[in-house]
Amino acid sequence: AQSVTQLDSQVPVFEEAPVELRCNYSSSVSVYLFWYVQYPNQGLQLLLKYLSGSTLVKGINGFEAEFNKSQTSFHLRKPSVHISDTAEYFCAVSFPGFQKLVFGTGTRLLVSP
Amino acid sequence: EAGVVQSPRYKIIEKKQPVAFWCNPISGHNTLYWYRQNLGQGPELLIRYENEEAVDDSQLPKDRFSAERLKGVDSTLKIQPAELGDSAVYLCASSLSGPLQVTESEAFFGQGTRLTVV
Repeated sequence: AQSVTQLDSQVPVFEEAPVELRCNYSSSVSVYLFWYVQYPNQGLQLLLKYLSGSTLVKGINGFEAEFNKSQTSFHLRKPSVHISDTAEYFCAVSFPGFQKLVFGTGTRLLVSP
Repeated sequence: EAGVVQSPRYKIIEKKQPVAFWCNPISGHNTLYWYRQNLGQGPELLIRYENEEAVDDSQLPKDRFSAERLKGVDSTLKIQPAELGDSAVYLCASSLSGPLQVTESEAFFGQGTRLTVV
């Protein structure tokens, strides 16, 4: 069965510092990978996705992620964060052909001045 | 373009009472999902519709939960009777799915309904 692990429940960081949010997945077959962001009292918004092709994926708001098949990881990065990036970030996986997202438990990014 | 619309945004009810949530997906999206998000957790799929057909309801607690998507557009999720453990955010999402859609599984989410059962 598919599963997604986000080891860091909370990541504090200062404004303009770089950040990496970790995501590992478990699957014996090819998967699609996603990062969603959830601002307080809001729904989820897609940041970026990996379906195939280049392993480095660029998304909105300056975020990028790299798919590493050998390490079964899909870590999210941003070189310089802003206060407005404070939110909950969810990694998710799905099987090609199956319309179902399996989410991790989320990582709360806290950006302080 | 309007996104996924859910109502109400917040609902507080006493246990054993019924409650219903409504979702209007993005126009033209044939796939509709209901997710439940418990506090501090990621969303978990309750049910998925392809048009008006429920194609995955394996995680829906059928003794108290029901859902419908008449005419393959709007959807309603109902809980009767509600229990304390049902307190959560209920998220609706929609996507345009099919064999020709390379962006399959890209779901667009509504703002959710926060249910508190007291």
